[in-house]
Amino acid sequence: DTEVTQTPKHLVMGMTNKKSLKCEQHMGHRAMYWYKQKAKKPPELMFVYSYEKLSINESVPSRFSPECPNSSLLNLHLHALQPEDSALYLCASSQAPFSTSGELFFGEGSRLTVL
Amino acid sequence: GEDVEQSLFLSVREGDSSVINCTYTDSSSTYLYWYKQEPGAGLQLLTYIFSNMDMKQDQRLTVLLNKKDKHLSLRIADTQTGDSAIYFCAELNQAGTALIFGKGTTLSVSS
Repeated sequence: DTEVTQTPKHLVMGMTNKKSLKCEQHMGHRAMYWYKQKAKKPPELMFVYSYEKLSINESVPSRFSPECPNSSLLNLHLHALQPEDSALYLCASSQAPFSTSGELFFGEGSRLTVL
Repeated sequence: GEDVEQSLFLSVREGDSSVINCTYTDSSSTYLYWYKQEPGAGLQLLTYIFSNMDMKQDQRLTVLLNKKDKHLSLRIADTQTGDSAIYFCAELNQAGTALIFGKGTTLSVSS
């Protein structure tokens, strides 16, 4: 199983809603990542979890709250988002934090629209 | 800080070779990567090259690295319509904690 599975694929939410994005991998990878990708732009790193601990937060606003319940799961809790937060949110994993091969396995993303 | 630059668009005919170029700023980069993103999908690692190599070939893909000019290229031989996608060049940042992606090159292959 070399898949990173993200749910939901599409999410529409209002600015007062609370929702969560979920990511799962069963490759035994010990690093998991959240990236944000706006249309026609490269992915931008948001968070890195290394061995289930948050190791990097790229100055992301607190309305985004990551959680890593176990080594296979990664959540992104969303609350009081703004329309400019609409984007494709990509989850990725790697064997170890930025292992030398650099191979990140990406999910297909959750496309978020904030109204 | 680190920066990765790519041309934004490339259009080729099926069967031709495609060459996608990238320049990077961090001369200490140990690994450089090419990722492919098809419409509506996540990114897929195509290939990577270690900084002490000049060239790496993998089936239809050839990566050339010019460390002096900090220039990386990806050549796709016999380009097919299924190769139409966005191609991202990436390098590890100095701290080794994040991949820095270029803006991506949209490759369009016409039959």
